[in-house]
Amino acid sequence: GNSVTQMEGPVTLSEEAFLTINCTYTATGYPSLFWYVQYPGEGLQLLLKATKADDKGSNKGFEATYRKETTSFHLEKGSVQVSDSAVYFCALILGGYQKVTFGTGTKLQVIP
Amino acid sequence: NAGVTQTPKFRILKIGQSMTLQCTQDMNHNYMYWYRQDPGMGLKLIYYSVGAGITDKGEVPNGYNVSRSTTEDFPLRLELAAPSQTSVYFCASSPGQAITNSPLHFGNGTRLTVT
Repeated sequence: GNSVTQMEGPVTLSEEAFLTINCTYTATGYPSLFWYVQYPGEGLQLLLKATKADDKGSNKGFEATYRKETTSFHLEKGSVQVSDSAVYFCALILGGYQKVTFGTGTKLQVIP
Repeated sequence: NAGVTQTPKFRILKIGQSMTLQCTQDMNHNYMYWYRQDPGMGLKLIYYSVGAGITDKGEVPNGYNVSRSTTEDFPLRLELAAPSQTSVYFCASSPGQAITNSPLHFGNGTRLTVT
């Protein structure tokens, strides 16, 4: 079946540090890939997406590139802020019924 | 825009009690989903629906039931609450196949404790 593997957290960074959160996937086909973010006490929100190989998704300074050869979709940001503290979920969609497979989430804490 | 609205936000149940978690969306989305989120486990799909009158099981349906009598509403029913159902429950919706690979829109969740 399909699966998504994320690096375990929590990840603690100082403000303005560089962020990478690793994500790899297994899928029988060519999925669309997503990063969702969950702020404390809230539901998940779409952060960015990529629908085919070599696509780069970007939003709010975050970027991720769909790498088919390494089955990866790593999330990066050049300079994190305290307001980026949240849980980040990598996810894929494959198939007609739009069922999403989520990773286990990576908690990011940014300290001033 | 209200988006996806879930009620209640918090609930404590005793073992064996029943309850319904409410979910409504005002975006005219065809697809709706129920997920549970357990610490360190990501989100697991409980049930989903591709339109009014149509529901199907996800990965972890045991102990739950759903109905979809209207496009807007997708309630989740727990008949005999068990401690294993202590979790945070999220409802989500999407336009479905009308928009390829459309993202999910989530509610803010219901935190349920069964003791």
